[in-house]
Parts: sequence; structure tokens; C-alpha cells
Amino acid sequence: GDSVTQMEGPVTLSEEAFLTINCTYTATGYPSLFWYVQYPGEGLQLLLKATKADDKGSNKGFEATYRKETTSFHLEKGSVQVSDSAVYFCALSTGNQFYFGTGTSLTVIP
Amino acid sequence: NAGVTQTPKFRILKIGQSMTLQCTQDMNHNYMYWYRQDPGMGLKLIYYSVGAGITDKGEVPNGYNVSRSTTEDFPLRLELAAPSQTSVYFCASSWDSTYNEQFFGPGTRLTVL
Repeated sequence: GDSVTQMEGPVTLSEEAFLTINCTYTATGYPSLFWYVQYPGEGLQLLLKATKADDKGSNKGFEATYRKETTSFHLEKGSVQVSDSAVYFCALSTGNQFYFGTGTSLTVIP
Repeated sequence: NAGVTQTPKFRILKIGQSMTLQCTQDMNHNYMYWYRQDPGMGLKLIYYSVGAGITDKGEVPNGYNVSRSTTEDFPLRLELAAPSQTSVYFCASSWDSTYNEQFFGPGTRLTVL
């Protein structure tokens, strides 16, 4: 069945470090891919998305490229800030359902 | 627009009690979803709906029931609460199931003792 596998956490980085969170997927057909962010005590919010192969989603300095050949959608940011500390979820959508990864907790220290 | 609202924010139940988690969206979305999130885990889909009067099971439906009498509301019913249902419950809605994002409510934290 359809599924998402993302990098285990937690991840701790110093401010201004480079961030990569890996995400790979298994899906029949042509899924849309998403990154969501969850701040403490809140629901998930969309960070970025890509709906077809080679699309790049970007928002708030975060980027991810939909790679069909490697079935991946890795999240990157060139310089993280303390305010980026949160849990990040990779997700895919095909048909009527969304499938979420288990989440990667990121802590950025000053 | 309020977006997706959920009530209550917190609840403690005793084993065997029942309750309804309320979810309302004001974006006229056809699709609505209920998820549970256990500590350190991802989201598991409980039930979803593709429109008023239409619901279907997700990955973990046992012990729950839903109804969708209007576009706006999608309540989740817990019958005979069990400790395994201790979790944070999120409701979400979207325009469609494939291309557009889901909008999430703030969650309900439920503890069953």
C-alpha cells in the first residue's frame, strides 16, 4: 500500500546550520507530496507541497523537490533559526486518503 | 474565517464512558478527516468523509463512529472508552483528496483512565 518513510529524529542543530530531513515514499499512481509542520500544542500546518514530478515546493526558506526517479521529497533549509524548532511531517495523497510519516522533531539551539 | 474548530480541547474519561468530539469547518470543504496522534508517532486516519452523508473507514476505525449530516460538521463518537484511546485527536478538512492541503484543527487531548 501507499506509505511514507521519513528520517528518524530527534534532530538538534545550531542556529544557521543546514537542515535536511529525508522523506521517501511508496505509492501507486501519481501522488501529491506535502511537508507539514507542527509547533508545540498546535495542529499541523502546511509548509509546502508539490503535485507532480520535478516540482519544487518552497516556503519560509524551506524547499523540497519531487523526485520520481528516487521516490523522494527531502526537506532542506539553508540556515535554520530557533523559531524553526518543531515537528516536521512528510505526507502523500492519492485517491481519498493522506498518508503521513512518523514525524521528525527538530530543535535549533542558539 | 475560523477554519477548523474542535471542542473540547481537553477531556478525561473513565473506562466505559462515551463522548463525542465535535469538529466544524467554515470553508465549505467536501472532505473531512479524523486522525489520532499517539506520543512520538505520526497520524493515523480513523474515518474520513467525502461529502455530507458519505463516510468511510480509515486505518484505525475500531471503537469509533462518525456521521456527516451537514457539510460543516463531522463529529467523532467514542463508545465504551478504553485506555488505548488515550491520544490527541485532530480533525482536518480539504477541497479535494489529492492536490490540495488539509487544514487542521487545534486538536483534542483525550485521556481515558
